[in-house]
Amino acid sequence: QKEVEQDPGPLSVPEGAIVSLNCTYSNSAFQYFMWYRQYSRKGPELLMYTYSSGNKEDGRFTAQVDKSSKYISLFIRDSQPSDSATYLCAMSARAGSARQLTFGSGTQLTVLP
Amino acid sequence: DADVTQTPRNRITKTGKRIMLECSQTKGHDRMYWYRQDPGLGLRLIYYSFDVKDINKGEISDGYSVSRQAQAKFSLSLESAIPNQTALYFCATSERDSRYEQYFGPGTRLTVT
Repeated sequence: QKEVEQDPGPLSVPEGAIVSLNCTYSNSAFQYFMWYRQYSRKGPELLMYTYSSGNKEDGRFTAQVDKSSKYISLFIRDSQPSDSATYLCAMSARAGSARQLTFGSGTQLTVLP
Repeated sequence: DADVTQTPRNRITKTGKRIMLECSQTKGHDRMYWYRQDPGLGLRLIYYSFDVKDINKGEISDGYSVSRQAQAKFSLSLESAIPNQTALYFCATSERDSRYEQYFGPGTRLTVT
C-alpha cells in the first residue's frame, strides 16, 4: 500500500465550478501537508501548505487537513482555465525524517472555458 | 534566468548506454534532490544531498548514481540504461530548514530504447 493515495483523475470541469481534490495517507507521522501544481512541461511549484490539522485559505484556494481521518483536500472556487494543471499532494514528517517529501500520484485537472 | 536548470531537456538513448543528467541552481540552497516521475506513480525520490559531502539514497536508487560537484551542481548518472528507466526526471532544491518547499527544475524527459 502506498503511503499517500491520490485519485489520478483526469478531472474535467466547466469554468466557475468548485473543484475538490483529495489525498489519503497512512503514515501518522506526517505533520506538513502541501499541494503542488504542475503545468504541462514544467516542474511542480508549491501552491499551498498547512501544518497539522485545520484549514488554510489563499484567494480561491482552500486547503483542509483532517489528521484523525488521514485525509487532506484542496478546494478551488470559481475555477479558471488557467487552473488547468496536475495537482500533487505532498507530505512530510517533523524534523528528524530528513525532511523528505512523499508525493501523491497527482490529479490532472482541466477547466473548460 | 531560471533558478534551477536541467540539461538536457530531452534525451533518447539505447539500452546499456551510460547517461548523465545535470542540474544547476542559483538559489544558493544547500539541499538538492533527484526525482523521477512516472504516470500513476507520482514523484519518487532517487537521491538527495544535504551538502557537498552528504549524499543519501532515496526510495528508488538502484541503477542510479549521483555526484555533487559543488553546492550548485548535482548530477544523476545511469551507468547502464534500461527501458524501465524511461521517465521524466526532476531536480529540486530546498533551503536547509525547509520542511515543505522544494523548488523544481523543468525536468528531463529520458527515453531508453
